[in-house]
Amino acid sequence: GAGVSQSPSNKVTEKGKDVELRCDPISGHTALYWYRQSLGQGLEFLIYFQGNSAPDKSGLPSDRFSAERTGGSVSTLTIQRTQQEDSAVYLCASSSQKGTEAFFGQGTRLTVV
Amino acid sequence: SQQGEEDPQALSIQEGENATMNCSYKTSINNLQWYRQNSGRGLVHLILIRSNEREKHSGRLRVTLDTSKKSSSLLITASRAADTASYFCATEGRDDKIIFGKGTRLHILP
Repeated sequence: GAGVSQSPSNKVTEKGKDVELRCDPISGHTALYWYRQSLGQGLEFLIYFQGNSAPDKSGLPSDRFSAERTGGSVSTLTIQRTQQEDSAVYLCASSSQKGTEAFFGQGTRLTVV
Repeated sequence: SQQGEEDPQALSIQEGENATMNCSYKTSINNLQWYRQNSGRGLVHLILIRSNEREKHSGRLRVTLDTSKKSSSLLITASRAADTASYFCATEGRDDKIIFGKGTRLHILP
């Protein structure tokens, strides 16, 4: 596609439910990042995929968070047993190779009620 | 942590003035990037400066990098109302991860 696409744009879920957030990176981009941004705050690194290498999961805040990237393209971020503190905008970005700019999607705003 | 820290956290200036934002980081980097964010959603890349570069220009933007001090600055000249946004520095470390700072909120006054 022309840019990084994220779905859904907005998600409201009840506390304790599981959610899946999807990211379609730019075709051919080998690197994919997930970040979380709380209101008025900076971007918190979650996870980084680079080609076929094992992902860097060092930013995942708890074992309720997981992500996968199928076929080196689409990525899904899953949050199990959501909590109110999980409410934030989840941003996905991709880049063509190391040392180049990252292109961002518009994010998914997650609200846990 | 290699996370960048921007300074100031918030900045208000008159339209037409120059705006300067600073970023400091802690570990060795491959490059440093600046991004802009409007309305709290997607970020737009502004400029990338590699670790062996000291200064870079793009239109009204000027970025400097001092690897000995582990710091960078972003200068926006002749500011416009449309420059009102949050600005983030991001460092790509030796592990190739891109880590962001907390940002500077810039407000251009008419």
